[in-house]
Amino acid sequence: EPEVTQTPSHQVTQMGQEVILRCVPISNHLYFYWYRQILGQKVEFLVSFYNNEISEKSEIFDDQFSVERPDGSNFTLKIRSTKLEDSAMYFCASSAVGRLAGIFAGELFFGEGSRLTVL
Amino acid sequence: KNEVEQSPQNLTAQEGEFITINCSYSVGISALHWLQQHPGGGIVSLFMLSSGKKKHGRLIATINIQEKHSSLHITASHPRDSAVYICAVTTSGSRLTFGEGTQLTVNP
Repeated sequence: EPEVTQTPSHQVTQMGQEVILRCVPISNHLYFYWYRQILGQKVEFLVSFYNNEISEKSEIFDDQFSVERPDGSNFTLKIRSTKLEDSAMYFCASSAVGRLAGIFAGELFFGEGSRLTVL
Repeated sequence: KNEVEQSPQNLTAQEGEFITINCSYSVGISALHWLQQHPGGGIVSLFMLSSGKKKHGRLIATINIQEKHSSLHITASHPRDSAVYICAVTTSGSRLTFGEGTQLTVNP
């Protein structure tokens, strides 16, 4: 069964360092997302990406964050100058369908997550 | 007030019991999702629905748009059903807004 894969599964970094989290979405999917979950809290939306550009982003997704689809398969989240509060599980998701006539119609498929620990 | 509220927060059941998890939301939605987060942290989509009822195996999800309420039912529960069950909604965009989740423990 097709799946979304994420690497690394766990990364430990020092505060101020840059981190890149990688995702390989399901191959025929067109819409890509990053979510994060701080330990003990609910999952939060970061950003959605379609047609090589950001289609929606949350208040969390500030200039510290960027996303890229550098080739036909990978989708990356870069966090510049990490802070302690960036420690979280980061989930990549993809869907085959996004918005149709203004209605979101796509089931999301999530990766297993990348746990980021900032020391 | 959270846009998505789930109840109960924690639920312990004996194997074989019928389980219901509730979700209420306060905004207009285009779809409601039920997700399962297993102990390792990974998230699996169980249902996406915008009206009526869906069934998959022992899982049933219903939604009442007028009352802004959805329920997830598990029939003949089993210890392997133990997980966090999360309700999430999409509104005008494509982002999901998540509830806090319900921790379900099914004892043998």
